[in-house]
Amino acid sequence: EVVLTQSPDFQSVTPKEKVTITCRASQSIGSSLHWYQQRPGQSPKLLIKFASQSISGVPSRFSGSGSGTDFTLTINSLEAEDAATYFCHQSSGWYTFGQGTKLEIK
Amino acid sequence: EVQLVESGGGLVQPGGSLRLSCAASGFSLSSFWMHWVRQVPGKGLVWVSRISSDGSSSHYADFVEGRFTISRDNAKNTLDLQMNSLRVDDTAVYYCVRSAPFDFWGQGTLVTVSS
Repeated sequence: EVVLTQSPDFQSVTPKEKVTITCRASQSIGSSLHWYQQRPGQSPKLLIKFASQSISGVPSRFSGSGSGTDFTLTINSLEAEDAATYFCHQSSGWYTFGQGTKLEIK
Repeated sequence: EVQLVESGGGLVQPGGSLRLSCAASGFSLSSFWMHWVRQVPGKGLVWVSRISSDGSSSHYADFVEGRFTISRDNAKNTLDLQMNSLRVDDTAVYYCVRSAPFDFWGQGTLVTVSS
């Protein structure tokens, strides 16, 4: 099983700040890494697919990078509505998720 | 507009059964693999099961193998999850999810297994 480890687990940030969340896979997964946003009380929403591909309707301040075992989700110029938990997910083998990164807006 | 609406959750005793359903609209269900993913409230996401677009192939996470059965009716645009021999640690919100990467999620239905 591919284990995904996200860091940090929690981050408190101010609006307009740049945020970086990392996801490390226990083995190489190529580009089969996706990012989701889950706001409180809502279902997860796909933000980035295959490491760096954008999703229609998702603000351009969200971007992804990486391949192999190390991946990054970047949020440029954070907005209040970005308060959420972010999960990475791999589809290279059987599906697994990272433990989540909770983003708090100060 | 793509919509996935789950139903069938509730309170059940350990060892009991429950059948979850997911009604799909806004797209042709027959074109997509479908999945169930669960989440203990406040915790992480865990993949449970998947079924091929035509229903001929299905797969399960080890912890539900032999207890859960996924099925679909493309004519009715529905996806089901029959859950038997439920355990306390099956308690979670169950999401119906399209494809992989998981591009659309239902709102989830809460399953509580407790005596």
